[in-house]
Amino acid sequence: DAKTTQPNSMESNEEEPVHLPCNHSTISGTDYIHWYRQLPSQGPEYVIHGLTSNVNNRMASLAIAEDRKSSTLILHRATLRDAAVYYCILRPGYNFNKFYFGSGTKLNVKP
Amino acid sequence: GAGVSQSPRYKVAKRGQDVALRCDPISGHVSLFWYQQALGQGPEFLTYFQNEAQLDKSGLPSDRFFAERPEGSVSTLKIQRTQQEDSAVYLCASSFSRTLATNEKLFFGSGTQLSVL
Repeated sequence: DAKTTQPNSMESNEEEPVHLPCNHSTISGTDYIHWYRQLPSQGPEYVIHGLTSNVNNRMASLAIAEDRKSSTLILHRATLRDAAVYYCILRPGYNFNKFYFGSGTKLNVKP
Repeated sequence: GAGVSQSPRYKVAKRGQDVALRCDPISGHVSLFWYQQALGQGPEFLTYFQNEAQLDKSGLPSDRFFAERPEGSVSTLKIQRTQQEDSAVYLCASSFSRTLATNEKLFFGSGTQLSVL
């Protein structure tokens, strides 16, 4: 399975932007980059995904490096409700039905 | 219900006991997944169903683990002769399509926390 590398933890102040990095140097051309987050005592929830171009939705933005070996999830204004573990996931183009979560980044948001 | 429902929320088992964990996916969702999440780790894939067919069980850690989805909706994950290393949160997820297109989202339940004493 294609692997991703994320910092174990990050801290942010409320109302400030947060940039969560992810390295995926072994990404293949057909791998999609997905982000999920897991709030305490809950299952993961979808945040955003992309292939090559940067993406925006109501929750976040995803910036993908030109060589696709890294990406950054951007939360524009962190709130206390954004405190969670954020997982950067590569979904293989050949097997959509399985993907590898990794250990994720635990985001702490300070009031 | 509106989301994926799992029961029980918590399960305590004595070592050697058999357990059964239930998952009710979102109505109409074709694909169903089971994941195992150890404390402090990310979820790890166990098995995948498309309707009633179990298409991938490569993540099941041993033959003590068995999953079924006989009518293509509710699924049960059964663990026989539980061991302490089976202690984890067991997550169920579902999605609408059978091919799980690249823009498809997985919807997860809150999980069953299994503690084996």
